[in-house]
Amino acid sequence: AQSVTQPDIHITVSEGASLELRCNYSYGATPYLFWYVQSPGQGLQLLLKYFSGDTLVQGIKGFEAEFKRSQSSFNLRKPSVHWSDAAEYFCVNTDKLIFGTGTRLQVFP
Amino acid sequence: GAVVSQHPSRVICKSGTSVKIECRSLDFQATTMFWYRQFPKQSLMLMATSNEGSKATYEQGVEKDKFLINHASLTLSTLTVTSAHPEDSSFYICSARGRLAGAVDTQYFGPGTRLTVL
Repeated sequence: AQSVTQPDIHITVSEGASLELRCNYSYGATPYLFWYVQSPGQGLQLLLKYFSGDTLVQGIKGFEAEFKRSQSSFNLRKPSVHWSDAAEYFCVNTDKLIFGTGTRLQVFP
Repeated sequence: GAVVSQHPSRVICKSGTSVKIECRSLDFQATTMFWYRQFPKQSLMLMATSNEGSKATYEQGVEKDKFLINHASLTLSTLTVTSAHPEDSSFYICSARGRLAGAVDTQYFGPGTRLTVL
């Protein structure tokens, strides 16, 4: 069955540290993959999206993600995390309406 | 900018009343709209799928008489929570499937509506 997996339910990093949130997909064709961020009590905000073409995608707030077909992954990265990045992050296959379970990010000062 | 809007963003109502939530696609026509519900600390759960001009398709376990969905036009879908009760308090998110100019056909999500039933 098709799926989107975010292996890390909860991640804690120090402010200023680098960040990588993992996302693995299971789908035969090239999926349409989005990363969303949801701050507490807020709606989803689109960070970046991948359809095709360049496998390294730049998003808002200094985030980027790299699509790696060989690893069936679309990991989200940020070189230096800010305290305001604390939120829940969702990887979504929008073509098939499949959500990852989310990764909650905590940032310590 | 936003491509899908929801109104209201927050609503508080008394138990037993009905609440209507609007979802609009901006700058594109949405052939299909989806309604999700998010429980605290969980991912979104698909409630129903609606196509313009036809009845919505509800996911298993979702009461169609309680959550009325109307997809009246290619840019507007409404979700009405009828006779709301405190257990209906949740975050409701819509998404619209369509094609922005120059882009591929895909999903865009609204910002969500927080419903609190007292």
